[in-house]
Amino acid sequence: FILTQPHSVSGSPGQTVTISCTRSSGNIGSKYVQWYQHRPGSPPITVIEEDDQRPPGVPDRFSGSIDPSSNSASLSISGLVPEDEADYYCQSYDSNSLILGGGTKLTV
Amino acid sequence: EQLVQSGGGLVKPGGSLRLSCVGSGFIFTNAWMSWVRQAPGKGLEWIGRIKSRQDGGTTDDITGVRGRFIISRDDSKSTVFLQMSGLRIEDTGVYYCATGLIGLDAWGQGTTVTVSS
Repeated sequence: FILTQPHSVSGSPGQTVTISCTRSSGNIGSKYVQWYQHRPGSPPITVIEEDDQRPPGVPDRFSGSIDPSSNSASLSISGLVPEDEADYYCQSYDSNSLILGGGTKLTV
Repeated sequence: EQLVQSGGGLVKPGGSLRLSCVGSGFIFTNAWMSWVRQAPGKGLEWIGRIKSRQDGGTTDDITGVRGRFIISRDDSKSTVFLQMSGLRIEDTGVYYCATGLIGLDAWGQGTTVTVSS
């Protein structure tokens, strides 16, 4: 299966943005979804794991969810700050591989 | 968890290169280790992984690198390797090692591979 993300999203400081990640086949809820933030020049970091869990140190402005009706996962970022500007990737897996979405560029 | 990478550099098409990644701060022998790359201007691409020895120590990889890239591990040195041969211009990019079973929990700092004549 593949994971499809919008190429880009944008928001102003203080606003909330949502990035979608649609699974092409199979149920979105059958395998956990992770989200990574990737700033230029640095390795990616996990901002959401197991669909909706924030790793230690990740602000509660970041939240994840899944929607079986649209077979998609979403990452929401509230109270946008300039440092949130980055590329964001969703990721899931099957029995033989990890699958990454194409990435979404967030502009603040 | 910390992953420190080495290797990388400039290589001609058809050449070979080996990347290394040393893990610390976690039980390396239990870890599944992946390699992810990012071509210039493109997104992240998972290229393969090696399971822990207790889970069989087998590898999975994507079609685009099969037969050219080999992932191996030396648990005595807490190190995972990516041996790349038959390199193509399109293999150019930043390569990351990462650890995790269903996700990529911790990442190395990345190392640049440039394939050019």
